[in-house]
Amino acid sequence: SQQGEEDPQALSIQEGENATMNCSYKTSINNLQWYRQNSGRGLVHLILIRSNEREKHSGRLRVTLDTSKKSSSLLITASRAADTASYFCATDSGGSNYKLTFGKGTLLTVNP
Amino acid sequence: NAGVTQTPKFQVLKTGQSMTLQCAQDMNHNSMYWYRQDPGMGLRLIYYSASEGTTDKGEVPNGYNVSRLNKREFSLRLESAAPSQTSVYFCASSNRQGINQPQHFGDGTRLSIL
Repeated sequence: SQQGEEDPQALSIQEGENATMNCSYKTSINNLQWYRQNSGRGLVHLILIRSNEREKHSGRLRVTLDTSKKSSSLLITASRAADTASYFCATDSGGSNYKLTFGKGTLLTVNP
Repeated sequence: NAGVTQTPKFQVLKTGQSMTLQCAQDMNHNSMYWYRQDPGMGLRLIYYSASEGTTDKGEVPNGYNVSRLNKREFSLRLESAAPSQTSVYFCASSNRQGINQPQHFGDGTRLSIL
């Protein structure tokens, strides 16, 4: 069963604009992670935010986490054509096996 | 630095045939995972291995078997392939020793079953 659900399913913007993707989940988590997948490739880890953190930055990426609303957002600032990809959130609900549960993803298209 | 390597990259099978998907990682990770990705479904966990010598079922294990051959290698076997198993299969690994660690993915095996 999917734990995270991304919104929107697809997003098309112009180069230089900001892109915001949202993720909602259902159960308590240990951490939430965001991954990027370029067409025909595997997933690449972008950023991890722990349950006791509210905001995290990495380069042009900003992630927020609201555990009371069970939601997270990923902001990509000053987008580039190379940011075109699918973005997935994944939740780690704890336990000894470090399993992740992935959402269905947001397809971001950045037009030059 | 290869990371996670999956072979083959593409495969076409006939219904009822068997095959093994191979995965190897060179990051000394303890945990390894097999996922399948279908359009509109995201990634679903098939099997995982928390450490060498252990394997456990994930969300969609029916029709599959796995072998954790050693710390580096984790294979996925389809004993009698069915069209419903047409998918892209991803292997991943992570460092179980540390909490809050990301998973590292291979580039996938694209499997078509006719």
